[in-house]
Amino acid sequence: QSALTQPASVSGSPGQSITISCTGTSSDVGGYDYVSWYQQYPGKVPKLLIYAVTERPSGVSHRFSGSKSGNTASLTISGLQADDEADYFCISYTDTSARVFGGGTKVTVL
Amino acid sequence: QVQLVQSGAEMKKPGASVTASCKASGYSFTMSAIHWVRQAPGQGLEWMGWINPGNGNTKYSQNFQGRITITRDASANTVYMELRSLRSGDTAVYYCTRERSGSQYKNWFDPWGQGSLVTVSS
Repeated sequence: QSALTQPASVSGSPGQSITISCTGTSSDVGGYDYVSWYQQYPGKVPKLLIYAVTERPSGVSHRFSGSKSGNTASLTISGLQADDEADYFCISYTDTSARVFGGGTKVTVL
Repeated sequence: QVQLVQSGAEMKKPGASVTASCKASGYSFTMSAIHWVRQAPGQGLEWMGWINPGNGNTKYSQNFQGRITITRDASANTVYMELRSLRSGDTAVYYCTRERSGSQYKNWFDPWGQGSLVTVSS
């Protein structure tokens, strides 16, 4: 199972919006609405931001939103803040009931 | 509170096997899947496999097929992950994590264990 494709890095200035893409196939991202997004700081465990493509758990800022088109899911961070600087990972359910992560995206706040 | 406590760090030689444990507390052990995820130094997250503690059913990543076995001891609320034929590329932090019950919550992983560092070196 190949990892989902994410850009290695994305950057933006405070207050701007950025979007991180997560591209898979019809066997994973495109076939199911089971894409989640995680935020991870160095040395820390990942934190869930988005599940089921667009759903946000309680307590997660409304600045984080998810979407999907075809085989590509996206995470948008609005109103970029300094503490958004972290690594972001997508994960999808697959047609064999396995899971597959994206390679991760490092977000830098300029 | 819901908690997953993992076993400690291990140092292994190439070709050896390692077993990491993950003890759950604060919820009904048989009601939620447990997944294993690893992270090599400076690298991303890699999904390894999962177990249904209720019936013991498992699913593994093709990347580890033949080298990994995940089991559970329901009497001890503990899940085990064995990885065999270790090589230097298996050096990583290994995490267990609980998947929230309910089909709409696939890939909702919370909490995570603290991680078990496995170092493979001759």
